[in-house]
Amino acid sequence: AQSVTQLDSHVSVSEGTPVLLRCNYSSSYSPSLFWYVQHPNKGLQLLLKYTSAATLVKGINGFEAEFKKSETSFHLTKPSAHMSDAAEYFCVVSSSGGNTGKLIFGQGTTLQVKP
Amino acid sequence: DTGVSQDPRHKITKRGQNVTFRCDPISEHNRLYWYRQTLGQGPEFLTYFQNEAQLEKSRLLSDRFSAERPKGSFSTLEIQRTEQGDSAMYLCASSPEGIGYTFGSGTRLTVV
Repeated sequence: AQSVTQLDSHVSVSEGTPVLLRCNYSSSYSPSLFWYVQHPNKGLQLLLKYTSAATLVKGINGFEAEFKKSETSFHLTKPSAHMSDAAEYFCVVSSSGGNTGKLIFGQGTTLQVKP
Repeated sequence: DTGVSQDPRHKITKRGQNVTFRCDPISEHNRLYWYRQTLGQGPEFLTYFQNEAQLEKSRLLSDRFSAERPKGSFSTLEIQRTEQGDSAMYLCASSPEGIGYTFGSGTRLTVV
């Protein structure tokens, strides 16, 4: 069975400093992995996805993530945080069993950006 | 087509009442999913449809919950005899083939 663990429930950074949100996954198959962002009172927005192509995945708004099979990790990074990045971030794995395509979400990491 | 639409955005209901939510997916997407998100948690899978067929239901979906997608287009999620534990955000998503979801903004249910 697939699962994801987000290692930090809350991350606080200063504006202009790097962001690192950590995620470990567990999967019986070659996984499809995603990062989603959720701003308050807004819908979930896809930041980036990994589907067994390049291990370094670039997403929107300057975010990127690196798939490391040996470490079963898929950490999200950004070189320089903006105030608008403050939101809830979810690491997600797609269930490949039975080809349902259902998503399994982590518990979420709240990113706080201080001025 | 402007994306996945959910109606209503907010619903307050008294315990024991029935509620129904609607989701209009992106028109060319044949897959439709329902998720539930409680405060401080990630969304959890409830059920999904391929066209009009409901192909999987989570154990979270008790007998009080029923979902339909009668013509393979919009979907409804009904909760009968609501309980306070049903208070959550109910999210709908659609996808053309199970990869590449578009989520709606959700329906926030409060049971008082």
